[in-house]
Amino acid sequence: GQQLNQSPQSMFIQEGEDVSMNCTSSSIFNTWLWYKQDPGEGPVLLIALYKAGELTSNGRLTAQFGITRKDSFLNISASIPSDVGIYFCAGQLLDNYGQNFVFGPGTRLSVLP
Amino acid sequence: NAGVMQNPRHLVRRRGQEARLRCSPMKGHSHVYWYRQLPEEGLKFMVYLQKENIIDESGMPKERFSAEFPKEGPSILRIQQVVRGDSAAYFCASSTRRVTGELFFGEGSRLTVL
Repeated sequence: GQQLNQSPQSMFIQEGEDVSMNCTSSSIFNTWLWYKQDPGEGPVLLIALYKAGELTSNGRLTAQFGITRKDSFLNISASIPSDVGIYFCAGQLLDNYGQNFVFGPGTRLSVLP
Repeated sequence: NAGVMQNPRHLVRRRGQEARLRCSPMKGHSHVYWYRQLPEEGLKFMVYLQKENIIDESGMPKERFSAEFPKEGPSILRIQQVVRGDSAAYFCASSTRRVTGELFFGEGSRLTVL
């Protein structure tokens, strides 16, 4: 089946540092979504991307839809303790009549004070 | 505008009992997805439904698991004769349409099988 690779798997950073994570696939997607999940909660949608090359910001978060439509990255600037959590990327496939959202395994972010 | 509502949030069952998890999608959403998540792991697709139809159940075990999304009422994920390995968080998500849609998640139902 379709797969998404996320890197890094986990990261430990100091408060105030910038964070960068990415998502890659061998498949072409028509939508990229980035989610954050806090412990014991459901994933929350952070950013949605719909066009190749699109760069979208949401506060300190910035995400881009790769030109090849096979990747996306998420940047977090000036990290704070509440950024701790698991970040999932999801791609939505073209021409798939079944379930068409594919999720990455997640990047676990820890922020040290 | 209420989000995706799931209940119960926590459910404890003994082996062999049945578990029923409910999901009410966001208003105006007719596409429902169920995912399963084990501790420290990612989201595993189970089933995708539209009103009264199962579109894709390729991620759902053939035995003991079933899902429905009736014309009226919530979507239900049903697990019969639960075993310890069914203990997990089950998340429901909904979207307005299949193509270029955004997926919104509920808070999840955490099933513990004793």
